[in-house]
Amino acid sequence: GQSLEQPSEVTAVEGAIVQINCTYQTSGFYGLSWYQQHDGGAPTFLSYNALDGLEETGRFSSFLSRSDSYGYLLLQELQMKDSASYFCAQGNQGGKLIFGQGTELSVKP
Amino acid sequence: DAGITQSPRHKVTETGTPVTLRCHQTENHRYMYWYRQDPGHGLRLIHYSYGVKDTDKGEVSDGYSVSRSKTEDFLLTLESATSSQTSVYFCAISEGPSQETQYFGPGTRLLVL
Repeated sequence: GQSLEQPSEVTAVEGAIVQINCTYQTSGFYGLSWYQQHDGGAPTFLSYNALDGLEETGRFSSFLSRSDSYGYLLLQELQMKDSASYFCAQGNQGGKLIFGQGTELSVKP
Repeated sequence: DAGITQSPRHKVTETGTPVTLRCHQTENHRYMYWYRQDPGHGLRLIHYSYGVKDTDKGEVSDGYSVSRSKTEDFLLTLESATSSQTSVYFCAISEGPSQETQYFGPGTRLLVL
């Protein structure tokens, strides 16, 4: 089956910038999404890239390179509340999402 | 927040018993999904629906069935629960077939003893 690769955990300090990478498989690829999940909560949508390039939404940006089967989520001006799990998800034709295993981000003071 | 509720929110059951989880939406979205989340596996799609009475399998559908008789309700049934089905179950909805935004419910924690 298809799988996405992302780091299992990342640690950064408040105010810093962190990048969470994601590689995916190209079969049936439609777009790459990012979701945030705080401990015990529901995942919430952050960003989506269907085309190459950078999408910016406030402190969060997401990048996609289809030629490299690679994307990343960039979080700037980190805050303690950004401590959460972040999932990349590959969208395929038919409306299905395949999720990566998630990256646990810990923001330290 | 999208209007999605799940019931029950927590359930403990015994191996071999049937279990039905309910997802209810007030957004009139066409697409509905059931996922399970387990440590080390992220979110995995069980079944999804693209309209009333229209459903299809996801990547981990064995042991699960679904039904959608109304736009607002999507039911997930474990015909005979097993301990391997202990998990957190999330329902999600999306407006269209595009994959960029799915809205998730609060989840149901199921423990099968």
